[in-house]
Amino acid sequence: DAGITQSPRHKVTETGTPVTLRCHQTENHRYMYWYRQDPGHGLRLIHYSYGVKDTDKGEVSDGYSVSRSKTEDFLLTLESATSSQTSVYFCATLQGTYSYEQYFGPGTRLTVT
Amino acid sequence: KNQVEQSPQSLIILEGKNCTLQCNYTVSPFSNLRWYKQDTGRGPVSLTIMTFSENTKSNGRYTATLDADTKQSSLHITASQLSDSASYICVVSAGGTGANNLFFGTGTRLTVIP
Repeated sequence: DAGITQSPRHKVTETGTPVTLRCHQTENHRYMYWYRQDPGHGLRLIHYSYGVKDTDKGEVSDGYSVSRSKTEDFLLTLESATSSQTSVYFCATLQGTYSYEQYFGPGTRLTVT
Repeated sequence: KNQVEQSPQSLIILEGKNCTLQCNYTVSPFSNLRWYKQDTGRGPVSLTIMTFSENTKSNGRYTATLDADTKQSSLHITASQLSDSASYICVVSAGGTGANNLFFGTGTRLTVIP
């Protein structure tokens, strides 16, 4: 599992509140990703990082921001949570440029009421 | 439009039986195709990764096939076990190293019953 942990694993929050999800990896992988998974949809990319302080937007980035100040940590922030952001969030890593295999974390279930 | 479609959406089989899951894609250019297993409440775990030059790859009781000409892949599970109950996700890479070039299917939910 490439030593990926996500915290918290479950969270319930109210509409309009800020929320930060954390992804931590121990394998020194260069690339890190945040996905959301919803019924009827495949995993959808929110943001990704290709190095410390290097990030870019994915398919569904509106309402989300990320930061990567250390190789091992990738934070996902919902500045003002909305009910449409209720989902399961997965962090993933990729070792390097010519690697194929992504490793996924255990997921964070977020409910926005 | 780059898409990955999986069928069936769900499948129930008896323990010990074989089954085949399908993945059709329209992704171009094609780099590689991955099959992941996702247990309930867990993250996806890689089963196989195939490049365009590979047409069969096995991982224990799991065998994936790829026909790059027809843009189809299948995952065959032999002698199913209760622990095979999971979602199986097909992912196609369009090449390059960008994260936006991975296309995910919605998965097939497999339930193995005793």
